[in-house]
Amino acid sequence: AAGVIQSPRHLIKEKRETATLKCYPIPRHDTVYWYQQGPGQDPQFLISFYEKMQSDKGSIPDRFSAQQFSDYHSELNMSSLELGDSALYFCASSGRQGIENSPLHFGNGTRLTVT
Amino acid sequence: AQSVTQPDIHITVSEGASLELRCNYSYGATPYLFWYVQSPGQGLQLLLKYFSGDTLVQGIKGFEAEFKRSQSSFNLRKPSVHWSDAAEYFCAVVRGGGGADGLTFGKGTHLIIQP
Repeated sequence: AAGVIQSPRHLIKEKRETATLKCYPIPRHDTVYWYQQGPGQDPQFLISFYEKMQSDKGSIPDRFSAQQFSDYHSELNMSSLELGDSALYFCASSGRQGIENSPLHFGNGTRLTVT
Repeated sequence: AQSVTQPDIHITVSEGASLELRCNYSYGATPYLFWYVQSPGQGLQLLLKYFSGDTLVQGIKGFEAEFKRSQSSFNLRKPSVHWSDAAEYFCAVVRGGGGADGLTFGKGTHLIIQP
């Protein structure tokens, strides 16, 4: 079965550069979530989108922005990268029924390293 | 704000022995609770979830969890662990009322299986 696809799998950037992470949800899933997981840490919720509109906002820095496109894929844009942004970034998707009826499916993540 | 606490950072269990991973939540109403498992470098896989109804929920891979409102707990159990169960386990709660709200994760419990 198709899963959540994230690209790239690995990304190396220098401080103050920008990065764009992409997420392709499971077909017919209309809700996308972004999480950041630092080394040895628990995943931290960043932001979510439902039907291309921002739905919930967590601890997303102002340097980051995200959007969901008409085909439901999502992109996380990160500017002025800092060393502390090095982490595993997960995308998850769920269906239109909401998390009560459609559990989150996580991608395998994008590992971002900022040098 | 909703939160979950996993008191055990590491747990070591012998293969074939029983397992219980603890999770305590802080939430005013009935929470939506989840247990996820993460293998190194991988995404998060849903083991089971609780929204309402029967307080003993069955999940995949032989796991079960029991919701106890009086103790604000949602402990994960397995009667007999296998070496392949070695992983990081996260308890999580929905931030808000459901829908497209993100999850708040506990700090995780690292499960080590002894031969």
